[in-house]
Amino acid sequence: DVKVTQSSRYLVKRTGEKVFLECVQDMDHENMFWYRQDPGLGLRLIYFSYDVKMKEKGDIPEGYSVSREKKERFSLILESASTNQTSMYLCASSVTLGWAPYEQYFGPGTRLTVT
Amino acid sequence: DQQVKQNSPSLSVQEGRISILNCDYTNSMFDYFLWYKKYPAEGPTFLISISSIKDKNEDGRFTVFLNKSAKHLSLHIVPSQPGDSAVYFCAASDGTSGTYKYIFGTGTRLKVLA
Repeated sequence: DVKVTQSSRYLVKRTGEKVFLECVQDMDHENMFWYRQDPGLGLRLIYFSYDVKMKEKGDIPEGYSVSREKKERFSLILESASTNQTSMYLCASSVTLGWAPYEQYFGPGTRLTVT
Repeated sequence: DQQVKQNSPSLSVQEGRISILNCDYTNSMFDYFLWYKKYPAEGPTFLISISSIKDKNEDGRFTVFLNKSAKHLSLHIVPSQPGDSAVYFCAASDGTSGTYKYIFGTGTRLKVLA
């Protein structure tokens, strides 16, 4: 079974703090993704990576950055947390086999509250 | 601009009956589609997929139908069970883009009544 783990289930941070969210997958997947989920807005893609040290902006990258130094680990960084970044953050990974976009496997999520 | 739409935010169904969840998309380049189920405080779980070369895919109680001309897909759950109560997301991808990313809908909350 694919396992995607996220460093924290719940996190409370103050406005202006730098926040690190860590994600690790154990299936040697090439692709990794960070989403946020908000009521009525579904899952929105923040950043994704299809290889070590590679990153691509998703639909809502503003206020975020990412790091992928190792294949199994993908970090999301909030440089200066703001209250509008209070959300559920979900990490996912998927395999690359040819050109087909295979299903993504999700971690349990991190509920971040910025006060 | 929402490229993947789930216009019903919620749906209630009696146990044992059929649940039909709908999803519409606007981008004609989308050719891969997924359905996920999500319980509160958990990550989404993959349910079933379909590619544009098919119009139906079945897996146990779950069947996904794709109508390419209408840019519409639906998930049928038969028979519905109380454990199916969750939020369901559809997602679509353009396989020719080479990015492997999916666009998700806003979700439909299904409640199966015992």
